[in-house]
Amino acid sequence: DVKVTQSSRYLVKRTGEKVFLECVQDMDHENMFWYRQDPGLGLRLIYFSYDVKMKEKGDIPEGYSVSREKKERFSLILESASTNQTSMYLCASSPPYGQGEYFGPGTRLTVT
Amino acid sequence: AQSVSQHNHHVILSEAASLELGCNYSYGGTVNLFWYVQYPGQHLQLLLKYFSGDPLVKGIKGFEAEFIKSKFSFNLRKPSVQWSDTAEYFCAVNDYNQGGKLIFGQGTELSVKP
Repeated sequence: DVKVTQSSRYLVKRTGEKVFLECVQDMDHENMFWYRQDPGLGLRLIYFSYDVKMKEKGDIPEGYSVSREKKERFSLILESASTNQTSMYLCASSPPYGQGEYFGPGTRLTVT
Repeated sequence: AQSVSQHNHHVILSEAASLELGCNYSYGGTVNLFWYVQYPGQHLQLLLKYFSGDPLVKGIKGFEAEFIKSKFSFNLRKPSVQWSDTAEYFCAVNDYNQGGKLIFGQGTELSVKP
């Protein structure tokens, strides 16, 4: 089974802090994704990556950056956390050509 | 760009009732279609998917979905829901013109009353 793990299930940070969310997948998938999930808004794509050191902006990249130094790891960075970034963050991975994504358990981030 | 609409935001049913959740995508072409489910406190799981072939797709836990190309629809159905089906359901489309990423609908929250 594909396994996607995220470094924390719950995280509380203060406004202005730099936040790192880590995601690791064990299936050698080329594609990795970061979403945020908010009630009534569904899943919104923040960034994605098709390969190591490669990144593409999703629908809502403002205030975020990403890093993919190794194929199995995709990190989401909040350079200066703000309260409107309080959300559930989901990482996913997939093989190529749109075969569906496998999701991690999510990190619920609260910024106070 | 491709978009996905789920018409029902919150559906409340009694156990044994039949379920149909609507999903429409905005334009045609070659698409792959998915339904994901998120049970309370759990991560998103793939319920079923359609790539090609028989437009009636069967998934886990008795769910099925029908792809109707002329209507750009991929509705999810279950003949008789159970309390354990209480969850949020997301429809998603992968459009080959937009690479490997999925476009998700807003989600439908299903509450099943025992």
